[in-house]
Amino acid sequence: GQQLNQSPQSMFIQEGEDVSMNCTSSSIFNTWLWYKQDPGEGPVLLIALYKAGELTSNGRLTAQFGITRKDSFLNISASIPSDVGIYFCAGQSNNDMRFGAGTRLTVKP
Amino acid sequence: DTGVSQDPRHKITKRGQNVTFRCDPISEHNRLYWYRQTLGQGPEFLTYFQNEAQLEKSRLLSDRFSAERPKGSFSTLEIQRTEQGDSAMYLCASSLEGGLFLNEKLFFGSGTQLSVL
Repeated sequence: GQQLNQSPQSMFIQEGEDVSMNCTSSSIFNTWLWYKQDPGEGPVLLIALYKAGELTSNGRLTAQFGITRKDSFLNISASIPSDVGIYFCAGQSNNDMRFGAGTRLTVKP
Repeated sequence: DTGVSQDPRHKITKRGQNVTFRCDPISEHNRLYWYRQTLGQGPEFLTYFQNEAQLEKSRLLSDRFSAERPKGSFSTLEIQRTEQGDSAMYLCASSLEGGLFLNEKLFFGSGTQLSVL
């Protein structure tokens, strides 16, 4: 089963608003990854984080690797309709990569 | 397109039948993973290969499941005597192993959606 707690489960926002979602775990991870998945497709990698405290941006997306190595957050600024989808966090330690249950984002035009 | 390719995209089968899925990873990637995803959940790890060697299997992978990567390139996942509970999206991912599982990025295919009737 899932070892990562991802929240919120779903979000309904207005176009232009900023979005924040996070993942927490009882385990320490070496790597945190954030993926976006559209219906009927596989997850697409958005951001990869490799060091505790690391803050990385990819366009309007910003993600941070928590200092404790047990959490990570993803922010999306100035949301647009194509941001709609399910966002997954994934944490990796040794040869094990675990995924959160996802945050479903809906953006109203 | 040089991404991860999976075939078929959809498979509908009757309970008790055998099914086989294929995954072609990104060509230079030496590590290949199989995940299963059910509605409303994140992907769950099934197994992975480093080149042609299958190095780990999840407890989710019952005896009815078998995966191969005979030449270290493409991989197949076979499910024998399918059950309704096997209905899910089966995702393949590949990565370029960077040593000690550090700095690893998984790239996913579009998945095979299996429906067992």
